[in-house]
Amino acid sequence: DAGVTQSPTHLIKTRGQQVTLRCSPKSGHDTVSWYQQALGQGPQFIFQYYEEEERQRGNFPDRFSGHQFPNYSSELNVNALLLGDSALYLCASSVRDRGLGNTIYFGEGSWLTVV
Amino acid sequence: AQKVTQAQTEISVVEKEDVTLDCVYETRDTTYYLFWYKQPPSGELVFLIRRNSFDEQNEISGRYSWNFQKSTSSFNFTITASQVVDSAVYFCALTRGWGGTASKLTFGTGTRLQVTL
Repeated sequence: DAGVTQSPTHLIKTRGQQVTLRCSPKSGHDTVSWYQQALGQGPQFIFQYYEEEERQRGNFPDRFSGHQFPNYSSELNVNALLLGDSALYLCASSVRDRGLGNTIYFGEGSWLTVV
Repeated sequence: AQKVTQAQTEISVVEKEDVTLDCVYETRDTTYYLFWYKQPPSGELVFLIRRNSFDEQNEISGRYSWNFQKSTSSFNFTITASQVVDSAVYFCALTRGWGGTASKLTFGTGTRLQVTL
């Protein structure tokens, strides 16, 4: 049973560029959430996708956008990269309607460095 | 608003010592879940435990144990007889207990545990 998979694992971008990160949720999971973790900090919620729509959003600018595909996989796009976007981006998968029984699993993350 | 506080930034212990990681949370919800995750240097957040707000029983899993006390809004994590492999950053997290909102975690700032020989 494959867990949550993310790609790429590491990447370096230049200020002003755009980046796309990808995530495949755990088998049987239909909800994907994205988190940003700056160095030395806890992960911060960016947004969540379910049924191919953004359902919740954290305090992140519109430069951060996403997409969910019919197979539940997801992409995170960041436009006009800033140095401060350098972070570990984590994808989490869960089952939306499980409610009281929901366990949230994370992938290994994508390390983004903006220079 | 929800908040998780992990006051211990870094803890260093010698192998075989017991260590307790503190977690204090704030929420206005009556139904919520608390989580602990381990983050090794590779970056992946490894799920350790989930506890719902209706179950205050302590839990033990091997060398790990958790003490949940609603009266003090705390969910502390103890590692007994620590090992070098326990070295990592540990995060406590909180989420609402129903529907889609159950997937949005609020994390603490983490506690870095260093276990030396």
